Amino acid sequence: AQKITQTQPGMFVQEKEAVTLDCTYDTSDQSYGLFWYKQPSSGEMIFLIYQGSYDEQNATEGRYSLNFQKARKSANLVISASQLGDSAMYFCAMREYSPSYDKVIFGPGTSLSVIP
Amino acid sequence: DGGITQSPKYLFRKEGQNVTLSCEQNLNHDAMYWYRQDPGQGLRLIYYSQIVNDFQKGDIAEGYSVSREKKESFPLTVTSAQKNPTAFYLCASSNPGVRTEAFFGQGTRLTVV
Repeated sequence: AQKITQTQPGMFVQEKEAVTLDCTYDTSDQSYGLFWYKQPSSGEMIFLIYQGSYDEQNATEGRYSLNFQKARKSANLVISASQLGDSAMYFCAMREYSPSYDKVIFGPGTSLSVIP
Repeated sequence: DGGITQSPKYLFRKEGQNVTLSCEQNLNHDAMYWYRQDPGQGLRLIYYSQIVNDFQKGDIAEGYSVSREKKESFPLTVTSAQKNPTAFYLCASSNPGVRTEAFFGQGTRLTVV
């Protein structure tokens, strides 16, 4: 069964510092996608970054990077130079796909608070 | 503008009544999903659909029903059999394949009194 674990319910970071949000996953598929989403208090889901299981390089998108360790089944999100607007819930998600199967499941999330 | 529209944003119902949440997308996506989110928690998959006239149960399908008669629409009915229906409901859509992200609607906050 698919499972996503995010072990940090809440995190604090000083403005302009970097922070790492942990994510581990469990799957028996060889091909899968890993995603990070941000959810501000408004409730919308904002896509941040993607990592494919066969991608050899870690993904980067602006201030976001993904520390992907396939053997450990971990996909940690790194946010550099934190800003006050980064305060939100962050969710790790995994997608497995086949012509008869297409699930996207989410972890429990990490609440990030950026301190001025 | 392309996107996913969920309506209404807030919905109130009396206990024992069925209620249908609307989800419409104009992104031409094949796959659509419904999630439930409880306060301070993650998203749990209720149902998903890969193509028209086909859908599959997610992890918490009991007390919910869906239909997919059109590619653009994937309504969710919360039935009276759902024991704790008060929650935030999110609809998403995506193209097929592991490399594409899901796009989300703004959500519907359902309160059952």
